[in-house]
Amino acid sequence: QSVLTQPPSVSEAPRQRVTISCSGSSSNIGNNAVNWYQQLPGKAPKLLIYYDDLLPSGVSDRFSGSKSGTSASLAISGLQSEDEADYYCATWDDSLNAWVFGGGTYLTVL
Amino acid sequence: QVQLQESGPGLVKPSQTLSLTCTVSGGSISSDAHYWSWIRQHPGKGLEWIGYIHFTGTTYYNPSLKSRVTISLDTPMHQFSLKLNSVTAADTAVYYCARRGGTYSFDYWGQGTLVTVSS
Repeated sequence: QSVLTQPPSVSEAPRQRVTISCSGSSSNIGNNAVNWYQQLPGKAPKLLIYYDDLLPSGVSDRFSGSKSGTSASLAISGLQSEDEADYYCATWDDSLNAWVFGGGTYLTVL
Repeated sequence: QVQLQESGPGLVKPSQTLSLTCTVSGGSISSDAHYWSWIRQHPGKGLEWIGYIHFTGTTYYNPSLKSRVTISLDTPMHQFSLKLNSVTAADTAVYYCARRGGTYSFDYWGQGTLVTVSS
């Protein structure tokens, strides 16, 4: 059971928009910055979002992040088949004194 | 462009010590802003942070693994290493090395290496 809760899967049609949620608590999301990672099948994770809503250089602006209280969200617009992947949220947990990850959400582009 | 590459045995016997090395290229391992990390992923599962080390030698470990983990740094060789002792089948996973950058995110990752614990 992950400290951060994500839906196991989401699906949406090409060119549409999807959001992935990440729920935590005051000791993690509520007090620390959230990152999002994309993991394509068989590949290493790749940083998509840092500091809740900032995009690293080279990441498409179809990806966006937001946070409110103890929850965070990743939105992907203009869905493409190559967006099919696992997506993970992550942050530091002040109570556990550890980095924690969500369980991951697999995105299917129908 | 920073690159990280894991190396080490792909098969470890139960009760023995898992040892992996990560070689860093394209950037300094001695930057004050960076922490050199190990993260693992059990087959078909999510990501688990193991720990990281700063170039000063300061280490931070996941409390759930702390009693079995040692992360060390070899600055001249641009490498850092993971040792996990008393392994069991539950330690079978893909092990990634990664850099925790100044943006408090894991911004560069190695390709990962599968370590299987089996007799």
